Amino acid sequence: AQTVTQSQPEMSVQEAETVTLSCTYDTSESDYYLFWYKQPPSRQMILVIRQEAYKQQNATENRFSVNFQKAAKSFSLKISDSQLGDAAMYFCAYRSARTGTASKLTFGTGTRLQVTL
Amino acid sequence: EAGVTQSPTHLIKTRGQQATLRCSPISGHTSVYWYQQALGLGLQFLLWYDEGEERNRGNFPPRFSGRQFPNYSSELNVNALELEDSALYLCASKRRSGTYEQYFGPGTRLTVT
Repeated sequence: AQTVTQSQPEMSVQEAETVTLSCTYDTSESDYYLFWYKQPPSRQMILVIRQEAYKQQNATENRFSVNFQKAAKSFSLKISDSQLGDAAMYFCAYRSARTGTASKLTFGTGTRLQVTL
Repeated sequence: EAGVTQSPTHLIKTRGQQATLRCSPISGHTSVYWYQQALGLGLQFLLWYDEGEERNRGNFPPRFSGRQFPNYSSELNVNALELEDSALYLCASKRRSGTYEQYFGPGTRLTVT
């Protein structure tokens, strides 16, 4: 079974600064997908960024980028130029690339990000 | 396009009662997933429906059940409610093929007293 671990329950960053959220995972599979979701106080889970395991290039979406280290099973999220609206709970998630019963997402326990002035 | 919708927003029940939660997927999405987000436990996978069939379920007792209708909307039923069922229940939908991303609804907050 796959597991996802987020070892930072809370993080804080000043506005305009950069912060990195950590995520490690455990799997015996070679093909899978990794995601970062954001959950603001409104509770709506929003997909921030995704990474296919077969791609060596790290995914980037505007101010959000990842550092994907497949051998180390590490998938960290970097938020540059942090904004007040980035304050939320961030979840790392894993999905197998196998079709069928492996379609579910496995989530970490989340990191609460505070953004201060 | 309209996002995933869930109803009701909040639901308060007493122990032993039954709760019914509803989810409407994004138009064109045929898969619906249910997750439970209990305080301090992250999101746990509950059920997956695709094309009207239950495809997979997580490690939850049988009193958690559901169904998917011909229009791909879905219902989650929780029977014999227990206090520990109090949680945020999130529904997500996905297109059948060509993409692997799940899109989430705003959730239903279930409180069992």
